[in-house]
Amino acid sequence: TQLLEQSPQFLSIQEGENLTVYCNSSSVFSSLQWYRQEPGEGPVLLVTVVTGGEVKKLKRLTFQFGDARKDSSLHITAAQPGDTGLYLCAGGTSYGKLTFGQGTILTVHP
Amino acid sequence: DSGVTQTPKHLITATGQRVTLRCSPRSGDLSVYWYQQSLDQGLQFLIQYYNGEERAKGNILERFSAQQFPDLHSELNLSSLELGDSALYFCASSEVGRDYEQYFGPGTRLTVT
Repeated sequence: TQLLEQSPQFLSIQEGENLTVYCNSSSVFSSLQWYRQEPGEGPVLLVTVVTGGEVKKLKRLTFQFGDARKDSSLHITAAQPGDTGLYLCAGGTSYGKLTFGQGTILTVHP
Repeated sequence: DSGVTQTPKHLITATGQRVTLRCSPRSGDLSVYWYQQSLDQGLQFLIQYYNGEERAKGNILERFSAQQFPDLHSELNLSSLELGDSALYFCASSEVGRDYEQYFGPGTRLTVT
């Protein structure tokens, strides 16, 4: 069974701070996705990374896929209250079956 | 708005009953995925359909079944419901060749009493 472990589970920071969320596995994934989910809504796809060592930037968000394709990180610069939510990493295997991490609940205080 | 629609938004039913959840994928997407999200298990893959055919199966109970119709909408049937089946059920879809980029619907919150 492939597992993805996210850390930290909870993160509470002040507006303007930087943060990093980690996603680790002992298994190799074909791709790694990051989603953001707000209460009562479906996850929203932020990014897909497929190549080992790949780095993608989306405004203040930077995503990295590990060289061995077993881990990933999400870094947010100068966090804002609008960044508050549940962040989920998901590893892709055969036929698009996604294995999700348990998630990181981020709270950014004004 | 992801373009994936799900109905109903909320469903409250009793143990032992059967319910049907409905999903319409984004226009043009042939793949539909069903996921269950609960507090203790997180988001778990249940089953995938591609153009009407079952393509992959995850941790789906035998009491649960799904199908995808010619118009590509999908239904998830849950029977002999138990208290532990209370959860959020999400449908997602993806375009051909981009299976990993899945777009999720708003979900159906099922409460079994």
